[in-house]
Amino acid sequence: IVLTQSPGTLSLSPGDRATLSCRTSQSLSATYLGWYQQKPGQAPRLLIYGVSNRATGIPDRFSGSGSGTDFTLTISRLEPEDFAVYYCQQYGSSPRTFGQGTKVEIK
Amino acid sequence: QVQLQESGPGLVRPSQTLSLTCTVSGGSLSSGGYYWSWIRQHPGKGLEWIGNIDYSGSTKYNPSLKSRIILSIDTSKNHFSLKVNSVSDADTAVYYCARDTDWLFDRWGQGTLVTVSS
Repeated sequence: IVLTQSPGTLSLSPGDRATLSCRTSQSLSATYLGWYQQKPGQAPRLLIYGVSNRATGIPDRFSGSGSGTDFTLTISRLEPEDFAVYYCQQYGSSPRTFGQGTKVEIK
Repeated sequence: QVQLQESGPGLVRPSQTLSLTCTVSGGSLSSGGYYWSWIRQHPGKGLEWIGNIDYSGSTKYNPSLKSRIILSIDTSKNHFSLKVNSVSDADTAVYYCARDTDWLFDRWGQGTLVTVSS
């Protein structure tokens, strides 16, 4: 399954709302989608699993939604530490695959 | 808190074998309940799952790499390993090891850059 993320880059200011999209080439039969955050020089960190469940320790300004082939990660109010690259990942079909990433940068 | 740490050569010659080890601390590989994965990230690019192994040595591989990959595990040393045969420039990447729920990757090592070059 191919995951296509948009936009490639999102230029926003602290306090703004960020909306990131992930589209899958095939419908996911269940809630088999997650999101990761990656900062420069660091490993990815799991943010969201099962489309909308926050991983341990993830603040509630992060939320996930969607179904079928269209999924969204929303950051309600950007904090300085949220500027990073975000990846979606599907686990409904083997091999598991990732999107190419959306960079959220400071405007 | 489980921690993972990759180790191995940072430079591999073309056509040779890339070998990396991931040492796990704060948890035992033999306790089961998780898989242990390798994931790579080409420079400036996205993420690619390579394969995983469980405590018994059972493996799953990405079909795109399956013919060149060998995963192994040593529970007595609490580490698992990756070998990639016949490497080329296309194998230059940051290699991560990660704890794998068989769905998602919830703990990651810091990653190690492997460059394929003569």
